[in-house]
Amino acid sequence: EAGVTQSPTHLIKTRGQQATLRCSPISGHTSVYWYQQALGLGLQFLLWYDEGEERNRGNFPPRFSGRQFPNYSSELNVNALELEDSALYLCASSKGAHGNQPQHFGDGTRLSIL
Amino acid sequence: RKEVEQDPGPFNVPEGATVAFNCTYSNSASQSFFWYRQDCRKEPKLLMSVYSSGNEDGRFTAQLNRASQYISLLIRDSKLSDSATYLCVVNQAGTALIFGKGTTLSVSS
Repeated sequence: EAGVTQSPTHLIKTRGQQATLRCSPISGHTSVYWYQQALGLGLQFLLWYDEGEERNRGNFPPRFSGRQFPNYSSELNVNALELEDSALYLCASSKGAHGNQPQHFGDGTRLSIL
Repeated sequence: RKEVEQDPGPFNVPEGATVAFNCTYSNSASQSFFWYRQDCRKEPKLLMSVYSSGNEDGRFTAQLNRASQYISLLIRDSKLSDSATYLCVVNQAGTALIFGKGTTLSVSS
């Protein structure tokens, strides 16, 4: 069974630019979650999508947005990039919409802002 | 009070040692509990779910105390490969999982 896949692996941007990160969940999983992990910090919850709908959102500004497609893959968009957006962005997927199932993570996208 | 609290460590133990990590959570409505493991600069990986009756998976034992809102992970006969950060994770229905900041374990020979 293929795991959660994320692309790109690395992304280098400059301040003010926009970044798009992509995630494909495990087959059969309908929920996709996005997290930010800055160096030395814990996972910070960003967004949760299920069946194409945003279910929950973490404490991040509106320039962090995303969407989920009919095939359950997802995009995370970050506008007006700032230096502190440099982090590992992790996508996870799970079965069901209750949020209480184990989540399985992709390898992440490492975003660097110069 | 933080939603999920863990002692960050590090816990430095020799091979073969038994080590225990604790975690407390603030929301009594939490329903699901997990331990994840994260290696340096890698993604978190599910180690085990935690059930009310306690559960064991090889050298790993997880316990849940709902009354005290406390979760534990016991690792017996530590291996070098157990060196990692262990994340305590809780959830209540309808919300996403909440991750603790993790406890770092270093096993040395």
